[in-house]
Amino acid sequence: AQKITQTQPGMFVQEKEAVTLDCTYDTSDQSYGLFWYKQPSSGEMIFLIYQGSYDEQNATEGRYSLNFQKARKSANLVISASQLGDSAMYFCAMREAFPQGGSEKLVFGKGTKLTVNP
Amino acid sequence: EAGVVQSPRYKIIEKKQPVAFWCNPISGHNTLYWYLQNLGQGPELLIRYENEEAVDDSQLPKDRFSAERLKGVDSTLKIQPAELGDSAVYLCASSSTRNLAGKNEQFFGPGTRLTVL
Repeated sequence: AQKITQTQPGMFVQEKEAVTLDCTYDTSDQSYGLFWYKQPSSGEMIFLIYQGSYDEQNATEGRYSLNFQKARKSANLVISASQLGDSAMYFCAMREAFPQGGSEKLVFGKGTKLTVNP
Repeated sequence: EAGVVQSPRYKIIEKKQPVAFWCNPISGHNTLYWYLQNLGQGPELLIRYENEEAVDDSQLPKDRFSAERLKGVDSTLKIQPAELGDSAVYLCASSSTRNLAGKNEQFFGPGTRLTVL
């Protein structure tokens, strides 16, 4: 079963406007973490923002904020004041505990390609 | 602080040839990961090391793939022999000692783009 679902293969936004990238997840764990990474054309995955399952407030990091709705199992990324340099692939990921416990791995969605137009 | 270093950045080989990728994690990071990223997909974990021990290699195709992390620092991922379907980006990542209360984010290298002809 797919753990992370990103339903938007591509998104377009005008420079200086805000954009929301969708992410839904599936887990039976009570403790988990949600991440967003940016992958520009250079290939490197860049960490953007993190939300823990027990965090009561939505995470924010500069122009990035995470709209965390636990009951709906969604963790949407909001980018405010888009810049041309924001054009990239964006991946949502969940930190999943291994069955044996004591270990973790990241499970990624398929990503959303964001294009910022001037 | 230097990031995760990977080499080579690009590799083109004929099928059935061997190939190796090298990764140097961020200094002090005890956990190292190798991910496979196919075109249009998110990364998928191949193997995870805690220091020099491979703690999860369940997704590593062991008939042709092997990995090692001698001395718990640098790591090498090898494919022998390579197949056409192995064409992908191979990403290395590292993280520091796990903190269940924290984000423990993984830091990624630029990846090695492998093309098998």
